[in-house]
Amino acid sequence: GAGVSQTPSNKVTEKGKYVELRCDPISGHTALYWYRQSLGQGPEFLIYFQGTGAADDSGLPNDRFFAVRPEGSVSTLKIQRTERGDSAVYLCASSSLGGTPLHFGNGTRLTVT
Amino acid sequence: SQQGEEDPQALSIQEGENATMNCSYKTSINNLQWYRQNSGRGLVHLILIRSNEREKHSGRLRVTLDTSKKSSSLLITASRAADTASYFCATALRSQGGSEKLVFGKGTKLTVNP
Repeated sequence: GAGVSQTPSNKVTEKGKYVELRCDPISGHTALYWYRQSLGQGPEFLIYFQGTGAADDSGLPNDRFFAVRPEGSVSTLKIQRTERGDSAVYLCASSSLGGTPLHFGNGTRLTVT
Repeated sequence: SQQGEEDPQALSIQEGENATMNCSYKTSINNLQWYRQNSGRGLVHLILIRSNEREKHSGRLRVTLDTSKKSSSLLITASRAADTASYFCATALRSQGGSEKLVFGKGTKLTVNP
């Protein structure tokens, strides 16, 4: 596709529910990143994939957060037992190689009520 | 955790003036990048400077890097109202397994008044 696509653009869920956020990177990009951005803050690193494997998952805040990229393209960020503190914009980005300029999607705004 | 700290947090200038934003970081880096974010949108890459470079230009943008002080600056010359956005520096760090990850600062919110 032309750019990084994230769906849904907005997600409202109740506390305790499970959510999945999808990212479709630019075709051919091997590196895929997930970030979380709270209002007025910079993007906070969550996890980075190189191909199908998670090269660095040190930013995942706890074991309620999990991400997969089974075929080295589309990635899904999964959040179990959501909490109000999980409310944020979740950004996905891809690049041809790790560390090279990232191409960002427009994010998924998650609101946990 | 966030590696970079931008300064100032907010900057308001008149159209035509220059805008300077600074970024400080803590650990060794492979490169440093600047991004721009319009409200409610994803980030857009502006410019990358490698750790062995000291200055780089792209159009109205000028970036400097001082690795001894662990700092960088972004200068936007002859600013326009359309430059109004948040600007973030991001440092490329060697990650576990030898790959690289980008870590962002908190950003500078720039307002250019017409």
